[in-house]
Amino acid sequence: NAGVTQTPKFRVLKTGQSMTLLCAQDMNHEYMYWYRQDPGMGLRLIHYSVGEGTTAKGEVPDGYNVSRLKKQNFLLGLESAAPSQTSVYFCASSYVGQKNIQYFGAGTRLSVL
Amino acid sequence: GQQVMQIPQYQHVQEGEDFTTYCNSSTTLSNIQWYKQRPGGHPVFLIQLVKSGEVKKQKRLTFQFGEAKKNSSLHITATQTTDVGTYFCACQGYGNKLVFGAGTILRVKS
Repeated sequence: NAGVTQTPKFRVLKTGQSMTLLCAQDMNHEYMYWYRQDPGMGLRLIHYSVGEGTTAKGEVPDGYNVSRLKKQNFLLGLESAAPSQTSVYFCASSYVGQKNIQYFGAGTRLSVL
Repeated sequence: GQQVMQIPQYQHVQEGEDFTTYCNSSTTLSNIQWYKQRPGGHPVFLIQLVKSGEVKKQKRLTFQFGEAKKNSSLHITATQTTDVGTYFCACQGYGNKLVFGAGTILRVKS
């Protein structure tokens, strides 16, 4: 079991460029999440999904879009990157029967210049 | 919305000293979870507390859930260098989402 896998691990973008971050989990979890982590601010929820084909907004959704076409994958898109989106992005998944215990990927470090 | 306060933000201790971090929620919780993130790593689940007044131990770590289910603490006895990292509480209300505290960064001097 690989658990939760995120690609890429690092990326540098120029302002206005677009990119997609991929998250894949092999634990058959129903729920998946995207967080961003900034110094002193903990983990803030961007978007989440409670099942294939469904997505919902979290605490800081502006500037991001997501899709969950397959149960095991959750994609995070930045249509027009801004320097304020420089951050470390973590994907997580959870099993509905475990009261939302979350399993995190290794993270993607994104810099927007 | 739900607010989560975690204190202190940062603590630097001598190896062998004890360490405590506190987590307070503005609303009553269904459960609370604790995670540890090593420097450069990702958050890893430590424990979940569900019952009012619950106390759980993992070796040198002691976790408590308040009677009102609005606060929690993590206490480490006799810290070691392997304890360094950021400790997050994550508060689960009666919905689908966890709200994470800002974390407490622990540094241990050997």
